[in-house]
Amino acid sequence: QKEVEQDPGPLSVPEGAIVSLNCTYSNSAFQYFMWYRQYSRKGPELLMYTYSSGNKEDGRFTAQVDKSSKYISLFIRDSQPSDSATYLCAMSANTGNQFYFGTGTSLTVIP
Amino acid sequence: NAGVTQTPKFRVLKTGQSMTLLCAQDMNHEYMYWYRQDPGMGLRLIHYSVGEGTTAKGEVPDGYNVSRLKKQNFLLGLESAAPSQTSVYFCASRRVLGTWKGTDTQYFGPGTRLTVL
Repeated sequence: QKEVEQDPGPLSVPEGAIVSLNCTYSNSAFQYFMWYRQYSRKGPELLMYTYSSGNKEDGRFTAQVDKSSKYISLFIRDSQPSDSATYLCAMSANTGNQFYFGTGTSLTVIP
Repeated sequence: NAGVTQTPKFRVLKTGQSMTLLCAQDMNHEYMYWYRQDPGMGLRLIHYSVGEGTTAKGEVPDGYNVSRLKKQNFLLGLESAAPSQTSVYFCASRRVLGTWKGTDTQYFGPGTRLTVL
């Protein structure tokens, strides 16, 4: 069983839609949860990070962590064509030395 | 600042050939990482380094060696390339401020596309 599971999609939505992206994990030691965005043929870039459980909002993006269910989510409100990318979840335990990534979900926002 | 750079951007090897991928960062970061990204597998950690002169194995280290002789450089070597090593390789670096609190993010390079025939 992989440490982190993520639905690869692809996901296609109309502009303005609310997008929900999710990951599940098996390692209860994970404390730090991140979402990265990766445009085609580029390296990933950090979008949001969250420590332990709870919600975090940044503009149109909201990250949620439910440690009891080992489930994390990223919501994108008022999605834009520029949001079209692959979204990767990532996690780490306290040491922060190793990061475990999901397989990524490919998102296309149609104008 | 150039951030994280990777050399080369593309490479085609024959089975059994060797090569070295170079990662350089100009942000004075302590930690550096090598990942490979394959369809359906996501990013997987090959090796990482927590400082100059130190290296450690990640999730998929077999068939790779690394060295960090200078703080700004992290080299990934393939001694005898195999078709299974066809992948996109990403290097990343991050600053570490005491106990990690998640705020010191990883900065990724643009990637190296390697094909082994």
